[in-house]
Amino acid sequence: QVQLVESGGGVVHPGRSLRLSCAASEFTFSGYAMHWVRQAPGKGLEWVAVIWHDGSNKYYADSVKGRFTISRDNSNNMVYLQMNSLRVEDTAVYYCARDIIYASGTLDVWGKGTAVTVSS
Amino acid sequence: EIVMTQSPATLSASPGERATLSCRASQSVRNNLGWYQQKPGQAPRLLMYGASTRAAGVPARFSGSGSGTEFTLTISSLQSEDFAVYYCQNYDHWPLTFGGGTKVEIK
Repeated sequence: QVQLVESGGGVVHPGRSLRLSCAASEFTFSGYAMHWVRQAPGKGLEWVAVIWHDGSNKYYADSVKGRFTISRDNSNNMVYLQMNSLRVEDTAVYYCARDIIYASGTLDVWGKGTAVTVSS
Repeated sequence: EIVMTQSPATLSASPGERATLSCRASQSVRNNLGWYQQKPGQAPRLLMYGASTRAAGVPARFSGSGSGTEFTLTISSLQSEDFAVYYCQNYDHWPLTFGGGTKVEIK
């Protein structure tokens, strides 16, 4: 069935970098925009970034702009989130999600998430 | 950035009861409003988009209404599996924004 599987989370010191990956399967990956959404412990959902189906456009939340970069590899059905200059407040579960159509912003398929802890 | 405000923060209800959840946008999002359900330890699940269109597989007891700045999610008769946190989401303007959530708990 349609699936998204995130990986790459872990514990990292403030100021360091981490790259998250999301592997997609059982759908035509190159036809869909993809998003990252995060959830701090005990908190609500925060949208992080989106990349268009062909990589031609990207948007970021102000909280991560200039530090995080979203990218994709359509030949391998992967989407990535490069996170630099990490801060304690970036601690969260990071979810990869598929956009239902074009880049509408409706997120119809979600991965189980990967946990990132930023701590000294 | 559009701010989404949900009320109540917590709703206590019994199985079989009707539940009404509210969501307000700080400016019009037309009908570009989604609802998501999240259970503990799980990823969110899309329930509703276009304010009133049920996502695939969502039971008919879930209904959505509203446009502009005021929206409602109604669960007509709560089932045990419906006790969860519900989030509304603006997708009319970037950045996408979520409300703070309404926790529906067993009374």
